[in-house]
Amino acid sequence: DGGITQSPKYLFRKEGQNVTLSCEQNLNHDAMYWYRQDPGQGLRLIYYSQIVNDFQKGDIAEGYSVSREKKESFPLTVTSAQKNPTAFYLCASSVQGGTEAFFGQGTRLTVV
Amino acid sequence: GDSVTQMEGPVTLSEEAFLTINCTYTATGYPSLFWYVQYPGEGLQLLLKATKADDKGSNKGFEATYRKETTSFHLEKGSVQVSDSAVYFCALYSSASKIIFGSGTRLSIRP
Repeated sequence: DGGITQSPKYLFRKEGQNVTLSCEQNLNHDAMYWYRQDPGQGLRLIYYSQIVNDFQKGDIAEGYSVSREKKESFPLTVTSAQKNPTAFYLCASSVQGGTEAFFGQGTRLTVV
Repeated sequence: GDSVTQMEGPVTLSEEAFLTINCTYTATGYPSLFWYVQYPGEGLQLLLKATKADDKGSNKGFEATYRKETTSFHLEKGSVQVSDSAVYFCALYSSASKIIFGSGTRLSIRP
């Protein structure tokens, strides 16, 4: 089955540690996105990528980093510079040019 | 920049009531417009879409019409069910090649 997979579903980390969230898609989509969702809030764009080896900052990129070495994969690293990293993180992908995005099931990150 | 504004929630209705969730947008040109639905603890699923003015998207009894003159894409359903309880997001595909979401509207349906 084609789809977009995020792992793990739940992740716990100590304050000050970097952590990497995985996002893999087998839909052959060019574009991939990372969003952050806080309780009762909408989605805020962290980073997005339209093509391999290229990505752009979204609205809240500070404290995060990404890579896009393969079309299928778009991992997100939450660094120790992110002041409030506890949140629900959603990855999405889409065909280029204005079509709908397909979402993963999300990773809930808790930093203690 | 491009943006989406949608109705504040939460919205609570009785089963079989009529639903409207308002959504307006600001954008350059004529972006594609979407409604997504999110069930608790899950990612978002596309509910319906419209790609040009006057298009009507529909799915599972939900409808929304792309109104260029009012820059709106309001979500409607004639008779809601308990299973429709979820958070609904309006979104657009912007000229900067990114998808922009509204803040979401939580809908609760009473039996």
